[in-house]
Amino acid sequence: AQSVTQLGSHVSVSEGALVLLRCNYSSSVPPYLFWYVQYPNQGLQLLLKYTSAATLVKGINGFEAEFKKSETSFHLTKPSAHMSDAAEYFCAGSTGGGNKLTFGTGTQLKVEL
Amino acid sequence: DAGITQSPRHKVTETGTPVTLRCHQTENHRYMYWYRQDPGHGLRLIHYSYGVKDTDKGEVSDGYSVSRSKTEDFLLTLESATSSQTSVYFCATLGTALNYGYTFGSGTRLTVV
Repeated sequence: AQSVTQLGSHVSVSEGALVLLRCNYSSSVPPYLFWYVQYPNQGLQLLLKYTSAATLVKGINGFEAEFKKSETSFHLTKPSAHMSDAAEYFCAGSTGGGNKLTFGTGTQLKVEL
Repeated sequence: DAGITQSPRHKVTETGTPVTLRCHQTENHRYMYWYRQDPGHGLRLIHYSYGVKDTDKGEVSDGYSVSRSKTEDFLLTLESATSSQTSVYFCATLGTALNYGYTFGSGTRLTVV
């Protein structure tokens, strides 16, 4: 069964610093993988997705993620954090069965001046 | 997302009462999902639908039922609300293929007292 693990429930970075949010998946086959962002009192918004076309995926707002099969990872990065990046981020994955997504427990990103 | 409307946005109800949450979409998407979001648990799938009158259980379906009598509406019913069902409920839809990712509604905050 597909599962997704996010390491670190809270991450704090300074404005302008690198953002790195970690996600690992467990699956015997390359899955579909997604990163979503949630701002306070809102729904989830798709940041980017991996669907096997390319291992380095670029998303909105300057975020990108790299699929590494050898490490079963799909970490989210952004070179320079902005105050507006403060939000909760969710990694999600699926092997396609029933088109169901399994979500990680989320990482709250705090950006400090 | 303007294409998905969840109602009500907020509700307070008493233990033991039935509650129905509504998800309405104008995207003509085939698949619809109900998730609950709780701190430390991320999003967990309650029920999902893969077509009109076609539904199936997710990982936390106990105490919940769903119905989908037409493409645009997916109803979630708490048969007898309990305090453990206090949560934020999200509806999501998927059109044709999982590689497009889900689209989420803005959520319903339910408090059971």
